Amino acid sequence: KQEVTQIPAALSVPEGENLVLNCSFTDSAIYNLQWFRQDPGKGLTSLLLIQSSQREQTSGRLNASLDKSSGRSTLYIAASQPGDSATYLCAVDSSASKIIFGSGTRLSIRP
Amino acid sequence: DAGVTQSPTHLIKTRGQQVTLRCSPKSGHDTVSWYQQALGQGPQFIFQYYEEEERQRGNFPDRFSGHQFPNYSSELNVNALLLGDSALYLCASSLGRINYEQYFGPGTRLTVT
Repeated sequence: KQEVTQIPAALSVPEGENLVLNCSFTDSAIYNLQWFRQDPGKGLTSLLLIQSSQREQTSGRLNASLDKSSGRSTLYIAASQPGDSATYLCAVDSSASKIIFGSGTRLSIRP
Repeated sequence: DAGVTQSPTHLIKTRGQQVTLRCSPKSGHDTVSWYQQALGQGPQFIFQYYEEEERQRGNFPDRFSGHQFPNYSSELNVNALLLGDSALYLCASSLGRINYEQYFGPGTRLTVT
């Protein structure tokens, strides 16, 4: 059974810092892993999708990596801004369990 | 190009009542998935509709049912509402059932009193 874990549950950093969010999963038989951003009370915004055959994806200040063998993905945010404050969720798409989400990391960027 | 839309935005119901939530997928998408998100948790997969049929289902009771129409829009129905059904209900659409990027709507906030 696929389980997805995100640690830490909450993170607060000063503006301008580079930071890394972590996502781990138990079953490496995945199709893809997707990172989302969620603002309070809102829907999810897709940030990056990494196919199982890929090692990383980049979009602007965001870089996501995938290591299937170790069951890990990281989301790197460069030069953080107050507007980056949100909850970040990772979701794993695997054949057996469909899409499983982690509980998210609540990120706060201090001005 | 309209993204995924959901209605209503908010809803308040009483225990035991029934509710219907609606979702229109992103233009060009043929697959709709529904999720329940409790406060402080990640979304949990309810079910997926493709070609007007339920294709996959998560660990939700039969009180949760759905439908997909020929124009790919979808409804989520919940019968005999419980207090624990209070949550944000999210709809996501994709092109295809497997291994495609999902696009989410803004959600419907359901409160059961």
